[in-house]
Amino acid sequence: DGGITQSPKYLFRKEGQNVTLSCEQNLNHDAMYWYRQDPGQGLRLIYYSQIVNDFQKGDIAEGYSVSREKKESFPLTVTSAQKNPTAFYLCASSIVGSGRTYNEQFFGPGTRLTVL
Amino acid sequence: RKEVEQDPGPFNVPEGATVAFNCTYSNSASQSFFWYRQDCRKEPKLLMSVYSSGNEDGRFTAQLNRASQYISLLIRDSKLSDSATYLCVVNTDSWGKLQFGAGTQVVVTP
Repeated sequence: DGGITQSPKYLFRKEGQNVTLSCEQNLNHDAMYWYRQDPGQGLRLIYYSQIVNDFQKGDIAEGYSVSREKKESFPLTVTSAQKNPTAFYLCASSIVGSGRTYNEQFFGPGTRLTVL
Repeated sequence: RKEVEQDPGPFNVPEGATVAFNCTYSNSASQSFFWYRQDCRKEPKLLMSVYSSGNEDGRFTAQLNRASQYISLLIRDSKLSDSATYLCVVNTDSWGKLQFGAGTQVVVTP
């Protein structure tokens, strides 16, 4: 069964703690992404990676960190520096396209993070 | 101005009726366009890509108007299961960075 998995589904964090969200894919996709979704808002890009051992900041990278040591895995750490971390976090993957390639992204089921 | 704008709705639609809504985008260089569907508290799922000539997938029809920089989605013969939020998604560069609209909520009623 090919797909993207995220864990945990729900996560509660105390203020001042770092937490790491897991994302794994077996679609053999090169590119992986992390988004954050807040109520009534569109998805906002946190980090993305087009290839192993390389990643770039998205639009709202402050307070987050990532690693890409394996093609299949792209974990996200929410650090204590992130001022408002309560949100729905979505991981996605895609083939890497160029030009007119329709590089659709496919999403995992998400992790709901709540800061207590 | 947001890069991708959508009417948030909700669009209340009687079962069996047709509903259509648009999405505008600001980057005239955008090449790829998609509609995603998102159910409450779930992940977005790809509904359809939008091609230059327009395309249809069953009861769903997508159109692209490059001159006016909008895409549209039409749902015919609405089903209760079509109730969801529909996200307009536009790429902003060649490698795949996507911009998501905040979504249009559709509620199909019996």
